[in-house]
Amino acid sequence: AQSVTQLGSHVSVSEGALVLLRCNYSSSVPPYLFWYVQYPNQGLQLLLKYTTGATLVKGINGFEAEFKKSETSFHLTKPSAHMSDAAEYFCALNNAGNMLTFGGGTRLMVKP
Amino acid sequence: EAQVTQNPRYLITVTGKKLTVTCSQNMNHEYMSWYRQDPGLGLRQIYYSMNVEVTDKGDVPEGYKVSRKEKRNFPLILESPSPNQTSLYFCASSFWGGNQPQHFGDGTRLSIL
Repeated sequence: AQSVTQLGSHVSVSEGALVLLRCNYSSSVPPYLFWYVQYPNQGLQLLLKYTTGATLVKGINGFEAEFKKSETSFHLTKPSAHMSDAAEYFCALNNAGNMLTFGGGTRLMVKP
Repeated sequence: EAQVTQNPRYLITVTGKKLTVTCSQNMNHEYMSWYRQDPGLGLRQIYYSMNVEVTDKGDVPEGYKVSRKEKRNFPLILESPSPNQTSLYFCASSFWGGNQPQHFGDGTRLSIL
């Protein structure tokens, strides 16, 4: 069975600092991996996805993530945090049809 | 505009009173799904549908029903709601394929008293 673990349910950074949100997965087959962002009172929006090919994936709003098979990780980064990045972030895995398995989520807080 | 529309956005009701949450998408997606979101647990899948008249259970189907009579609509039915179904619910849709991102509605917050 597949699973997704997000380390840190809450992460706080200062505006302009590096953002690093951690995601580790377990899957018996090569997975498709996604990062979604949820702003207050809204649904989830796709930030980026890894399917095959290049392991460094760039997404919207300056975010990127690197697929590391040896570490079973797919951490999300952004070089410089902005106040508008404050939201909840979800890592998700798909290795069977369209069924997504989500991590528990990480709430990112950005301090001025 | 491509979107997934859920109604209602908020609902407070009482134990045992049947309710339906509607979901409609305008992207001609084959796949539709319902999730519930609870703090610390992320999103868990309730039911999904691969196409019209094809539905199947997700990870937490107990107490819920769905139907898929038309491609664009996928209602979630709680025939006898209970307080443990108080949650935030999301409908999502996508084209078929594991590499396809899912598009989410804005959510329905249900409170069962």
